[in-house]
Amino acid sequence: SAVISQKPSRDICQRGTSLTIQCQVDSQVTMMFWYRQQPGQSLTLIATANQGSEATYESGFVIDKFPISRPNLTFSTLTVSNMSPEDSSIYLCSVVSGEITQYFGPGTRLLVL
Amino acid sequence: GQNIDQPTEMTATEGAIVQINCTYQTSGFNGLFWYQQHAGEAPTFLSYNVLDGLEEKGRFSSFLSRSKGYSYLLLKELQMKDSASYLCAVKNSNYQLIWGAGTKLIIKP
Repeated sequence: SAVISQKPSRDICQRGTSLTIQCQVDSQVTMMFWYRQQPGQSLTLIATANQGSEATYESGFVIDKFPISRPNLTFSTLTVSNMSPEDSSIYLCSVVSGEITQYFGPGTRLLVL
Repeated sequence: GQNIDQPTEMTATEGAIVQINCTYQTSGFNGLFWYQQHAGEAPTFLSYNVLDGLEEKGRFSSFLSRSKGYSYLLLKELQMKDSASYLCAVKNSNYQLIWGAGTKLIIKP
């Protein structure tokens, strides 16, 4: 299985500011995803991070709000832009390893005041 | 539309057995996953079923019936540390993972 780390693990931010979350994997993976999980809710896929091209966003999520970078097969960043309290959530990086199983990073807990 | 249905919450007793059901309606099927998520932590992979039948892994087993669009996760010899949310997810024909809302399992001594 892949080992995934995320930075920061948590942050408290002021509305209107932006936060960039980093995801590092210990091996090269083809598929990387960014999810959001709000308190008591299930996982919501934000986008698929594509290496060398623009991310593929799910309905309700746009690049201007959640720009994503994927410069190589082991690293990706998600930026939460112009934050509002509604963006308070856990943001999770996820990868597919072994072509089948999806593994999750430890998550970034974001609180926007 | 696509949806995954699971009970919201279940309660069981330490040492007992509990079965968490999951029914799904998706555009195609390429496997069903169960994940465990403790409060404040990321989901961890438990099991994967792509063929009908029972997959056993220690105290945990997962069953799949594709014709019925149905799966269950069976937890035996329950321990207090099994208190967590259990997420059912189905990979559809586009290889997208569709997630259920999760079942919160409460274990009582």
